[in-house]
Amino acid sequence: SQTIHQWPATLVQPVGSPLSLECTVEGTSNPNLYWYRQAAGRGLQLLFYSVGIGQISSEVPQNLSASRPQDRQFILSSKKLLLSDSGFYLCAWDTYYQPQHFGDGTRLSIL
Amino acid sequence: QKEVEQDPGPLSVPEGAIVSLNCTYSNSAFQYFMWYRQYSRKGPELLMYTYSSGNKEDGRFTAQVDKSSKYISLFIRDSQPSDSATYLCAMTVNRDDKIIFGKGTRLHILP
Repeated sequence: SQTIHQWPATLVQPVGSPLSLECTVEGTSNPNLYWYRQAAGRGLQLLFYSVGIGQISSEVPQNLSASRPQDRQFILSSKKLLLSDSGFYLCAWDTYYQPQHFGDGTRLSIL
Repeated sequence: QKEVEQDPGPLSVPEGAIVSLNCTYSNSAFQYFMWYRQYSRKGPELLMYTYSSGNKEDGRFTAQVDKSSKYISLFIRDSQPSDSATYLCAMTVNRDDKIIFGKGTRLHILP
């Protein structure tokens, strides 16, 4: 069966510091990978998606970037965090034949 | 008009009652419909995945799609306190298209 791992679960960072959130998927090959941000009352906002290694599409221009160095690894980064980057970040995967599944998320607080 | 509309709740019902959660949508091209359950501080968990119109049952859960009315429902029978969570509807035109999520309905099952 497929599993998705996301870490860390919670992160507190100062404004202006860098960020790296990692997501890995097991049990499937060549998945589509996604990063979402979920804000209270605002639903899920798609940030980035990737259909293959090195292929990243950005949905929202912002202070964040994503990379996919390996088939089942997806990384969300920032060089300098802003207060507005606080939120709940979710990684997800799917394939053509399997619907989207989510990780347990990272709660990011910027101080 | 928003693509997907979902009442945010909260919806409070007594244990054992039948729960009805609903979403309306505007894009008649949507063909694939999903329901996710999200517990506090966790990622969304896929509950139901359906294609086109009709009903699908899985244990105490029934998903219903009425494409003519652009209306989908999730019914929970014999509701339990453990069903207390936020329920998100989601839909897409094709399997490899962007998924559109509702903002979620908060459900409380009162013991």
